[in-house]
Amino acid sequence: QKEVEQDPGPLSVPEGAIVSLNCTYSNSAFQYFMWYRQYSRKGPELLMYTYSSGNKEDGRFTAQVDKSSKYISLFIRDSQPSDSATYLCAKAGAQKLVFGQGTRLTINP
Amino acid sequence: EAQVTQNPRYLITVTGKKLTVTCSQNMNHEYMSWYRQDPGLGLRQIYYSMNVEVTDKGDVPEGYKVSRKEKRNFPLILESPSPNQTSLYFCASSLKDNAIYEQYFGPGTRLTVT
Repeated sequence: QKEVEQDPGPLSVPEGAIVSLNCTYSNSAFQYFMWYRQYSRKGPELLMYTYSSGNKEDGRFTAQVDKSSKYISLFIRDSQPSDSATYLCAKAGAQKLVFGQGTRLTINP
Repeated sequence: EAQVTQNPRYLITVTGKKLTVTCSQNMNHEYMSWYRQDPGLGLRQIYYSMNVEVTDKGDVPEGYKVSRKEKRNFPLILESPSPNQTSLYFCASSLKDNAIYEQYFGPGTRLTVT
C-alpha cells in the first residue's frame, strides 16, 4: 500500500463549480500535510499546508485534514479555467515529502 | 526574485555518458532535495541534503550521486545513465529540514536516455 493514495483522474468540471480533491494516507506519525499545484511543464508550486487536523482557508481554496479517517481534502470554490492543473497532495515524512500521484483537473469555460 | 533554478531544462543523451544536472537556490535555504517524477509513480525522492557537506539517500538513489559543497548548489550526477533513468527531475529547497512542509521546487529537467 502506498503511503499516500490519490485518484489520478482526470477530473473535468464546468467553470464556477466547487471542486473536491481527496487523498488518503497511511502512517500517522507525521503532522504536516500539503497541497501542491503543478501546471503543465512547470514545477510543483506550494498552495497551502496544514498542521494536524482541521481546516485551513486561503481565498477560494480550503484544505482539510481528518486524522481519524486519514483523509486529506482540497476544496476549490468558484473554480476558474486558470485552476486547470495537476494537484498533488503530500505529507511531510522524515526528511522528505511523500506525494500522491496527482489529480489532473480541467475547468471548462 | 526568490527561486530554484535548474539546468539544463531538457537533455537527450546516450547510455553511459556521464552527465550533471545543476540546481541552485538564492534563498539561503539549508535543506535541498532531488525528486524524479514518473507517470503512475508520482514524485519520489532521490537524495537530500540538510546542509553543506551533509547528504543522504532518499527512496530511489541507485544510479545517482550528489554533492553539496556550497549552500546554494546541489548538483545531481548520473555517472553512467541508463534508459530507466529517463524521467522528469525536480530540485527543491526549504529553509531547514524541519520546515520541509514549505518546500520550493525548480522548473524541472526532462531527461531522455537512449
